[in-house]
Amino acid sequence: DAKTTQPNSMESNEEEPVHLPCNHSTISGTDYIHWYRQLPSQGPEYVIHGLTSNVNNRMASLAIAEDRKSSTLILHRATLRDAAVYYCILRDVGANNLFFGTGTRLTVIP
Amino acid sequence: KAGVTQTPRYLIKTRGQQVTLSCSPISGHRSVSWYQQTPGQGLQFLFEYFSETQRNKGNFPGRFSGRQFSNSRSEMNVSTLELGDSALYLCASSVDTLYNEQFFGPGTRLTVL
Repeated sequence: DAKTTQPNSMESNEEEPVHLPCNHSTISGTDYIHWYRQLPSQGPEYVIHGLTSNVNNRMASLAIAEDRKSSTLILHRATLRDAAVYYCILRDVGANNLFFGTGTRLTVIP
Repeated sequence: KAGVTQTPRYLIKTRGQQVTLSCSPISGHRSVSWYQQTPGQGLQFLFEYFSETQRNKGNFPGRFSGRQFSNSRSEMNVSTLELGDSALYLCASSVDTLYNEQFFGPGTRLTVL
């Protein structure tokens, strides 16, 4: 399974944008890039996913590099509720097993 | 729509015992996956069931098993418990395998003494 590399931790001030990077240099053509987050004492929560094009939804935006070897999750205005561990995951089309890495722990400063 | 439910939420067992955990997926979801989360190993995939068939399996010993019923509810069983089996066991459901997001339950916290 292709691996992802993320910074262990990041900090952001409340109401400012946050850019969470992820490197996946061994991504294959059929791998989708998924982001999940895990709030304290909860199960992971889906955030967004994409294949090649940038994606937006109500929670976040996903910017994918042209060569697909990296991606960035963008939270447009961080709130205290966004404090969580964010996982970048590569998921092969048709596979339902998610391989979580260590993720990035995001701290939001009031 | 009700979310994924897992029972029990907390469980204490002793070494050598066996345990069964239950997961009820979101209505209409046919795929159920199980994950183990520990501080040392993080989140690890155990297995996935779809339409009562195990379709994928992670790298865990045979003491870990599961099954899925015709109503998509799933159970996982761990036999001959070891101290290292202490973990948060998470269940996730999805409609099917293609592209869809997985919805996670709150987990069952298993402590092995």
